[in-house]
Parts: sequence; structure tokens; C-alpha cells
Amino acid sequence: GNSVTQMEGPVTLSEEAFLTINCTYTATGYPSLFWYVQYPGEGLQLLLKATKADDKGSNKGFEATYRKETTSFHLEKGSVQVSDSAVYFCALMSGGSNYKLTFGKGTLLTVNP
Amino acid sequence: GAGVSQSPSNKVTEKGKDVELRCDPISGHTALYWYRQRLGQGLEFLIYFQGNSAPDKSGLPSDRFSAERTGESVSTLTIQRTQQEDSAVYLCASKASGSSNEKLFFGSGTQLSVL
Repeated sequence: GNSVTQMEGPVTLSEEAFLTINCTYTATGYPSLFWYVQYPGEGLQLLLKATKADDKGSNKGFEATYRKETTSFHLEKGSVQVSDSAVYFCALMSGGSNYKLTFGKGTLLTVNP
Repeated sequence: GAGVSQSPSNKVTEKGKDVELRCDPISGHTALYWYRQRLGQGLEFLIYFQGNSAPDKSGLPSDRFSAERTGESVSTLTIQRTQQEDSAVYLCASKASGSSNEKLFFGSGTQLSVL
């Protein structure tokens, strides 16, 4: 079956620090990969996506590259801001179930000024 | 409304009682999902509605769980004879017809605590 493993949180950084949140996956076929973000008091929302190997998804300064050889989709940002404090979820959609997302546990990021 | 609305935001109940959770999707969204997140776990798919098609109930964990949706409107998730392991955040999401399958709009969830 499909599964997503992402690094345990919480992650605490100072403003302007470099961020990496690791994500690896197991899936049948060739999944599409996603990062979702949940800001305090809000619902999850799509942050970025990549649909095939070597694709790079990017949005709001965040990037993630679909690495088929390592089955990974690590989230990175070069310089985090206080406003990036949120919970980040890695997810995939695969194969015959093209509407069902499989999520990781989420990683809480706190950025201090 | 402007977004997906869920009610109540918090629910505390006693073991063995029934609970009903409500989701108001974005107007016009044909697809509706229920997920839950237990403490320390990822989001688990529960059920998927798409228009008037038969729902995908494959994620419902037991026959104590049921969900309804009439047309493209409100959905209710009912848990009968609640157990402590049902304690979780229950999330609803909706999606517009024709949009990419990952473009879900999530509500803020209902935190269910079973004592």
C-alpha cells in the first residue's frame, strides 16, 4: 500500500535560517507528490506539487524535488520567516485511486524572530 | 460561504454515546471528503462523495461510522457508540468539479474527545 514518512517535529528555527523537512514515500505505480500547509486556526491548503520524476514544485519560496531514485520529496526554503510557522504535511496520490490522498503525520515548524 | 465550515469545532462526549459532525462545503463543490487525524498519526481517509455517484466508503474503520451527503450540500459524519480510540480531529474537504484532484479545500476540523 501507499505510505508517507516525514521527519518528526517539532522543528524550531530562527528567522532567515535554512529549512529542510524530509519526506519519503512508498507507493504503487508513479505517484504525484504534494506538500500541504496548515497555518494556525486554518484548514490545510496545497503548498506545492510535482507530478513526475525530477519535477520541482515551488511556491512562496518553498521548493521540493521529486526524486524517484530515493523515493523522496524533501521540502526546503532558503530563508524562513515568522509567518512560515505552521504544520507541513507531505502527501501522495497514486494509481487507481486518483482522488485519495495519503498523508504523512505532519511536521510542526516554529520560526522565532 | 467563503470556505469549508465544520461544526462543532470541539466535541467532548462520553464513551458509548453517539455523535454527529457536520460539514458545509464550499458552494458548488461536487466532491467532499472526510479524513481524520489521531494524535501522532497522519491523516486517514474515511469517505469520499462525488456528486450523485456511490460514495467510496473504504476508509470507514467500522460499522459504527457512517456518513451522508444529499446532493452537493451538507454532509454529516455519525459515530455510534463512541470509543476512546475515536478521539481525533475530523477534517472535511471539498473540491470543485473539473479542478485538479489535489486541490482540496479543508475545513478547520472538529476535535472529538471521547472520555
